[in-house]
Amino acid sequence: GENVEQHPSTLSVQEGDSAVIKCTYSDSASNYFPWYKQELGKRPQLIIDIRSNVGEKKDQRIAVTLNKTAKHFSLHITETQPEDSAVYFCAASVGSGNTGKLIFGQGTTLQVKP
Amino acid sequence: ETGVTQSPTHLIKTRGQQVTLRCSSQSGHNTVSWYQQALGQGPQFIFQYYREEENGRGNFPPRFSGLQFPNYSSELNVNALELDDSALYLCASSVLHEDNEQYFGPGTRLTVT
Repeated sequence: GENVEQHPSTLSVQEGDSAVIKCTYSDSASNYFPWYKQELGKRPQLIIDIRSNVGEKKDQRIAVTLNKTAKHFSLHITETQPEDSAVYFCAASVGSGNTGKLIFGQGTTLQVKP
Repeated sequence: ETGVTQSPTHLIKTRGQQVTLRCSSQSGHNTVSWYQQALGQGPQFIFQYYREEENGRGNFPPRFSGLQFPNYSSELNVNALELDDSALYLCASSVLHEDNEQYFGPGTRLTVT
């Protein structure tokens, strides 16, 4: 079945450093790859997404890269701040077209130390 | 914040009982997907409803069932509750066939004792 693997499970960085989280997916039909930030007890919040027709997307300190051939995508956060501390999830859409179904990775707990 | 709402916010039930969770989708959205998020894990897809019909199901037993109403709101029903059903239940609304972006509600925290 469809699967998304996410690494690392925990990541600790100093404030101002960069953080990188990587995901691989199995469904070759996946065409939508969102990243969510989730604070304790709250809903996942979409922070950036990328669609299969582009290889990179950037929004201020956050960027996502996609390699469809290798079936992996990555989240890059630069100039990290303590408020970036949270759990981050990657996800991949299931099936071809806009199915509205997502498979999530297991999450990465990011700690930014002041 | 999204326009998706869920009720109740918290719920405590006893093993063997039944529960109904509710979700109101964002205006203009025709599809509701339900996810279960156990503590320390990523959300897992339960099922999706489109035009009042189930439109895909994840690896969950039949005691997980749902409904979608003409106004696109949705219910998740779980029968014969088990301890492992304790989780955050999230619904997400979207527009099927137009965009994969999901708009998540705040979730319902279910505790089964």
